[in-house]
Amino acid sequence: QSVLTQPPSVSGAPGQRVTISCTGSSSNIGAGYNVNWYQQVPGTAPKLLIYRNNNRPSGVPDRFSASTSGTSASLAITGLQADDEADYYCQSFDTSLSSDVIFGGGTKLSVL
Amino acid sequence: QVQLVESGGGLVKPGGSLRLSCSASGFGFSGYYMTWIRQAPGKGLEWVSFIGSGSNVIYYRDSVKGRFTISRDNAQQSLYLHMDSLRADDTAVYYCARMLYGYNYFDYWGQGTLVTVSS
Repeated sequence: QSVLTQPPSVSGAPGQRVTISCTGSSSNIGAGYNVNWYQQVPGTAPKLLIYRNNNRPSGVPDRFSASTSGTSASLAITGLQADDEADYYCQSFDTSLSSDVIFGGGTKLSVL
Repeated sequence: QVQLVESGGGLVKPGGSLRLSCSASGFGFSGYYMTWIRQAPGKGLEWVSFIGSGSNVIYYRDSVKGRFTISRDNAQQSLYLHMDSLRADDTAVYYCARMLYGYNYFDYWGQGTLVTVSS
């Protein structure tokens, strides 16, 4: 299983707000390593959504935001739209394991 | 604009070898760390390896150490992944991505190339 734990799925109706959690430990998120988020529409490559905990690349709407606290992080999406339906992955860094770069297992967002 | 295009994937038997390539354009390739990330069918993302801008820093995940070799040619703006002793669990789409080292995130990704290890 993944070092970063995400819920397998979340869902929401158009216009609603959803959050996706990402739980780590004291050797990754809790150690102060940045958390980044990626969006992957099925059949396409992942796309950077949030970097360095809470920064959006140009072109990413401000409906997407993120935060970190302790050993966890969360991604929030407000004003849910149909084309937000995708898989979302958190990612961080951890030097105590067999893999320095770590990803969460991914969360499938369904827009009802 | 930044473009990353992978090639070299295909079907290979267990124990076989394959070399993936990633051609970069639209940015100063020699100034960036680069990485390979894979995704097994129906599964999540898994980091494989990254290489520093001058090839002086190289890291691998444990499961590929001794079998995979990452390299780059800055003059050709290309990244490579040589894979030996391939196993069924190496079957995945392999993505190359540009890495912002220090902040450890991946801001541009290629479209991926599928590697299938099967007899």
